[in-house]
Amino acid sequence: AQSVTQPDIHITVSEGASLELRCNYSYGATPYLFWYVQSPGQGLQLLLKYFSGDTLVQGIKGFEAEFKRSQSSFNLRKPSVHWSDAAEYFCAVGYTGGFKTIFGAGTRLFVKA
Amino acid sequence: DTAVSQTPKYLVTQMGNDKSIKCEQNLGHDTMYWYKQDSKKFLKIMFSYNNKELIINETVPNRFSPKSPDKAHLNLHINSLELGDSAVYFCASSQGGTGFLYEQYFGPGTRLTVT
Repeated sequence: AQSVTQPDIHITVSEGASLELRCNYSYGATPYLFWYVQSPGQGLQLLLKYFSGDTLVQGIKGFEAEFKRSQSSFNLRKPSVHWSDAAEYFCAVGYTGGFKTIFGAGTRLFVKA
Repeated sequence: DTAVSQTPKYLVTQMGNDKSIKCEQNLGHDTMYWYKQDSKKFLKIMFSYNNKELIINETVPNRFSPKSPDKAHLNLHINSLELGDSAVYFCASSQGGTGFLYEQYFGPGTRLTVT
């Protein structure tokens, strides 16, 4: 069955430190992969997406993600975290068989001064 | 201009009542969705409409009835509300019939509390 796993429920990072959020997916075909961010009280906003081509994709707000087919992973990274990055982050996969997007359970990012 | 808007933002009601949530998008998208986010932030698709036609109904109870009067609007009506319906409901839209493969634009959410 298709699924998206985000192993970390929450992560705390110091401001200015680097960040990596993990995402693993289970999907037989070529995945359409996404990272969304949800700030408190807001809807989700797309950070970046991967369909094909270069496995390192750049997104908004200084985020990037790397697709590794051999590991079924699509981890999100940022070299230097800002306090405004504190939010909930969702990894997702577009599931062609079900005409829908499947979301992971989310990782809550806390940023400490 | 708000791309995807939902009303109301907060909804508090008693068990057994019937309520509606409205959604409108001004992006010209063909596909609209309703998602339910539970207290653990888990986000699950409920319905998807493409050009006013239902294309996904994810085993949602019959008490939930989506209505799409035109492709810019997708409303959600809930009958006989139950405690378990308490959640945040998000409307979203995307371009094209395979919009689920591309970017979805989300509304700000409607927090429904059933007492």
